[in-house]
Amino acid sequence: EAGVVQSPRYKIIEKKQPVAFWCNPISGHNTLYWYRQNLGQGPELLIRYENEEAVDDSQLPKDRFSAERLKGVDSTLKIQPAELGDSAVYLCASSLDWGISTDTQYFGPGTRLTVL
Amino acid sequence: SQQGEEDPQALSIQEGENATMNCSYKTSINNLQWYRQNSGRGLVHLILIRSNEREKHSGRLRVTLDTSKKSSSLLITASRAADTASYFCATDGGSYIPTFGRGTSLIVHP
Repeated sequence: EAGVVQSPRYKIIEKKQPVAFWCNPISGHNTLYWYRQNLGQGPELLIRYENEEAVDDSQLPKDRFSAERLKGVDSTLKIQPAELGDSAVYLCASSLDWGISTDTQYFGPGTRLTVL
Repeated sequence: SQQGEEDPQALSIQEGENATMNCSYKTSINNLQWYRQNSGRGLVHLILIRSNEREKHSGRLRVTLDTSKKSSSLLITASRAADTASYFCATDGGSYIPTFGRGTSLIVHP
């Protein structure tokens, strides 16, 4: 079974440039998460999708970040324009469902973003 | 903000020794999870313990939960060099959404 796929694995851009990350969750997983992980820290949730509906997006900086999950499968996370402080690893995860029945989130390898 | 905090921040042991790391959290939870992250790799789920459970085992892993003290511990027995990684606890704060701590960096020397 294929795991969570993310691309690109690495991205280097100059500040004020746009950048997009792509995530393909495990087949059949209804819930998709985007996290940001700064160096030496744990992941912080940016947004959670239940199928194609975005919920729990309170940590998403909406002035520059946007996300979408078309047809409830793949998802993209976009930053426009990028700032130096956006340098981090962006992790995508998926789970079968959420709530009391949720046992496990499966994480992708992440995209390491460097903003110069 | 980070709900759970792991302790110690760093741990260095010899192969074959046991490793214990702790997690403290602030608000009531439905469940607590432990994850491992190897250098340059994604997070891997290790074990989930629900608020009505006190102890769970998985192979060489033993997790305890004390809801009265709002704390959990992860014990890795007979550690191996391959156990070298960062270990994170994630609590859901009652919302089923995991909030991760800063992690414990474990180094196991061969």
